[in-house]
Amino acid sequence: AQSVTQLGSHVSVSEGALVLLRCNYSSSVPPYLFWYVQYPNQGLQLLLKYTSAATLVKGINGFEAEFKKSETSFHLTKPSAHMSDAAEYFCAVSHSSGSARQLTFGSGTQLTVLP
Amino acid sequence: EAGVTQFPSHSVIEKGQTVTLRCDPISGHDNLYWYRRVMGKEIKFLLHFVKESKQDESGMPNNRFLAERTGGTYSTLKVQPAELEDSGVYFCASSRTAYEQYFGPGTRLTVT
Repeated sequence: AQSVTQLGSHVSVSEGALVLLRCNYSSSVPPYLFWYVQYPNQGLQLLLKYTSAATLVKGINGFEAEFKKSETSFHLTKPSAHMSDAAEYFCAVSHSSGSARQLTFGSGTQLTVLP
Repeated sequence: EAGVTQFPSHSVIEKGQTVTLRCDPISGHDNLYWYRRVMGKEIKFLLHFVKESKQDESGMPNNRFLAERTGGTYSTLKVQPAELEDSGVYFCASSRTAYEQYFGPGTRLTVT
């Protein structure tokens, strides 16, 4: 069984400030981990993924995430927030082996960027 | 390359009616997934096709939901009869490999 916990359903940051969105996972097998973003009235877009290679993963739009096995975490960061980053962010986990490839999502974090 | 498309974008139906949602995956993607997000809840997995075969349908909520993928191309998800609790956003995703799933814009279903 696997699960994802996203701490904070709503996060507000000022433009130019650090963005930190938290994600902790639980998985009985080595996980694949993902961050998706959903902009208003759009579908889910893959930001970045961890698939057992480098633990620090860089994604699109200046985002990155670090896989920390000891903390079972995969927090998403961006050094400087931009107004266009306002969206809902989802952390997700899937199995790295076997045929089960479905994603298990966290409940999402709505990011607001204040001018 | 065209992305995953879903039709309709919105659907409003009355309780007891039937609705069919359609998903067109990215060309060449054998894997097709359906997910659902009920308001205020997590996005939940419904089922997974590999080509035309159902690989995993463990997330289907009950037998009022029927998914098909004839010919291994587009997929339909039928809800019959619809209930109030079926309201939500239905997402479709496709993938070529196990590493990345590409999502469509979703269909917002409202059952009144």
